[in-house]
Amino acid sequence: EVQLVESGGGLVKPGGSLRLSCAASGFTFSSYSMNWVRQAPGKGLEWVSSISSSSSYIYYADSVKGRFTISRDNAKNSLYLQMNSLRAEDTAVYYCARGDTPNADYWGQGTLVTVSS
Amino acid sequence: QSALTQPASVSGSPGQSITISCTGTSSDVGGYNYVSWYQQHPGKAPKLMIYEVSNRPSGVSNRFSGSKSGNTASLTISGLQAEDEADYYCSSYTSSSPWVFGGGTKLTVL
Repeated sequence: EVQLVESGGGLVKPGGSLRLSCAASGFTFSSYSMNWVRQAPGKGLEWVSSISSSSSYIYYADSVKGRFTISRDNAKNSLYLQMNSLRAEDTAVYYCARGDTPNADYWGQGTLVTVSS
Repeated sequence: QSALTQPASVSGSPGQSITISCTGTSSDVGGYNYVSWYQQHPGKAPKLMIYEVSNRPSGVSNRFSGSKSGNTASLTISGLQAEDEADYYCSSYTSSSPWVFGGGTKLTVL
């Protein structure tokens, strides 16, 4: 069974940093592109970042470019999102999702990031 | 990276059919056959319902169908059921970004 489990969310002050993790199981992680998608409270979905299976291709939304860094460790079946210079508008549930955009066939349950003083 | 345009809400009675539209441009919906649709129930993760305009993943009911004409994609749900009540998001590959979402449509089953 495919499982994606996010962790690392929490409360952080504006300007702070947080590192999200996504533990994958039930499939050959190294064969799939992976993505981060977020959803602000009561709002719609927003794509954040994508990384190809071998990390050769990495993409970011303009809203996070220069502040967030996506990475993966295929040996550990894990996806990461390093978030720096956090702003109030980054407050959201962050989902990791498997697949080539825009077709993400499996999603985690999400982890909540709250940026507030 | 502007969002695709969806109606804020649609509604229908059980057994009826509804269609949700998703309007973009020639740089996204109109330019690629990479349009997908997601269903999201409150407090849950999104679920892929349609990919590449009209394909259903394994396990998705054939009551869900997708199509595209020009810069507008559509999701049709036939034989509405109470469990279909959810938010629906279209998304597309674009010339400037790998992924853009619509603003979402709240489906109410009356």
